[in-house]
Amino acid sequence: DVKVTQSSRYLVKRTGEKVFLECVQDMDHENMFWYRQDPGLGLRLIYFSYDVKMKEKGDIPEGYSVSREKKERFSLILESASTNQTSMYLCASSSLAGQGATDTQYFGPGTRLTVL
Amino acid sequence: AQKVTQAQTEISVVEKEDVTLDCVYETRDTTYYLFWYKQPPSGELVFLIRRNSFDEQNEISGRYSWNFQKSTSSFNFTITASQVVDSAVYFCALSDSLFSSASKIIFGSGTRLSIRP
Repeated sequence: DVKVTQSSRYLVKRTGEKVFLECVQDMDHENMFWYRQDPGLGLRLIYFSYDVKMKEKGDIPEGYSVSREKKERFSLILESASTNQTSMYLCASSSLAGQGATDTQYFGPGTRLTVL
Repeated sequence: AQKVTQAQTEISVVEKEDVTLDCVYETRDTTYYLFWYKQPPSGELVFLIRRNSFDEQNEISGRYSWNFQKSTSSFNFTITASQVVDSAVYFCALSDSLFSSASKIIFGSGTRLSIRP
């Protein structure tokens, strides 16, 4: 079974703090993703990575950065947290699909971040 | 542009009723993939099904069934004899354009399903 874990289920931070959200997968997947989920907006892609040290911006990268130093770990960084970053953050991973294919993404349990 | 529309924001039915969740998509690709995920109150998205655009055969898995119709760009999900444990938010998703990144998925806004005892 694919296992994606996230470092915290709940996190409370103050405005201006630097926040690290960690995600680890144990299936040797090449691709990893960070989404945020807000009511009525579904899942929105923040960043993704298709290889170690490689990253691409998603739809809403502003205010975030990422780090992928090891294949199994993908970190989301909020350099200076703001109240509008209060949200549910979901990490996912997928294997490298063949050309012209999209492989299934498997998700972690999510981190509910509150910025005060 | 790729787009997924789940027009039903919330649905509430009594246990044992059948319920269908609608999903309509837009894509410029001839090859694409469709997905359904379930998000129970615990928060984790659980993968339910992945369908290739070349495979229009309907799928049944226990009480779950999926109806894929390319002619109407729909990929609807039906739960037969619903149970309280089916209460969750359900997301339909579409692979992003294969001309951009082959690994991204576009999600609909989700349908919250409540099953009343």
